[in-house]
Amino acid sequence: DTEVTQTPKHLVMGMTNKKSLKCEQHMGHRAMYWYKQKAKKPPELMFVYSYEKLSINESVPSRFSPECPNSSLLNLHLHALQPEDSALYLCASSQDRGDYGYTFGSGTRLTVV
Amino acid sequence: GENVEQHPSTLSVQEGDSAVIKCTYSDSASNYFPWYKQELGKRPQLIIDIRSNVGEKKDQRIAVTLNKTAKHFSLHITETQPEDSAVYFCAASSGKATDSWGKLQFGAGTQVVVTP
Repeated sequence: DTEVTQTPKHLVMGMTNKKSLKCEQHMGHRAMYWYKQKAKKPPELMFVYSYEKLSINESVPSRFSPECPNSSLLNLHLHALQPEDSALYLCASSQDRGDYGYTFGSGTRLTVV
Repeated sequence: GENVEQHPSTLSVQEGDSAVIKCTYSDSASNYFPWYKQELGKRPQLIIDIRSNVGEKKDQRIAVTLNKTAKHFSLHITETQPEDSAVYFCAASSGKATDSWGKLQFGAGTQVVVTP
């Protein structure tokens, strides 16, 4: 299995809702990442996990809460989002933090209404 | 932190012609430079990458060159085909000596349109 799987593919949520995005990989990668991508813009890093520990938080608002329950799974918990948080949320993994050759998942298209 | 600039923002080429996209980076600690292709509505896909100890790398119709002294790297696509139409992103990543180790800093992207 050489893929990063993200669910759901699409999500519409209200500003008072709580939802979670899920990312899974079975390549034995020990680093996992969350990126946010707005339309016609490059991906922007949100969080880096290395060996299930949070290594980088790019000053992301607390309404985004990452979690890495095990080496294969990465979650992003969402609460009280704003319409401007609507974007494509991409998960990626690599063999180790900073290792070459990120593999990106297909992303979750999030719309906040 | 690292800053990556990418030019041009759009590039229109005739099928069969070559396309060149250029990027510059600011952090001399950066040591890994991947290029991603992103088709509309899809994930970024790694198409080629280069490490700082290499000056040039080629994979079929795609090549990347790196000039560490000038801090710039370029993507060259030869014999372009309509399926090469996409947004291309360059990126830079720094090594273990920095706090941002593991972070990919992307350029703004180049929309490539190949017309038959």
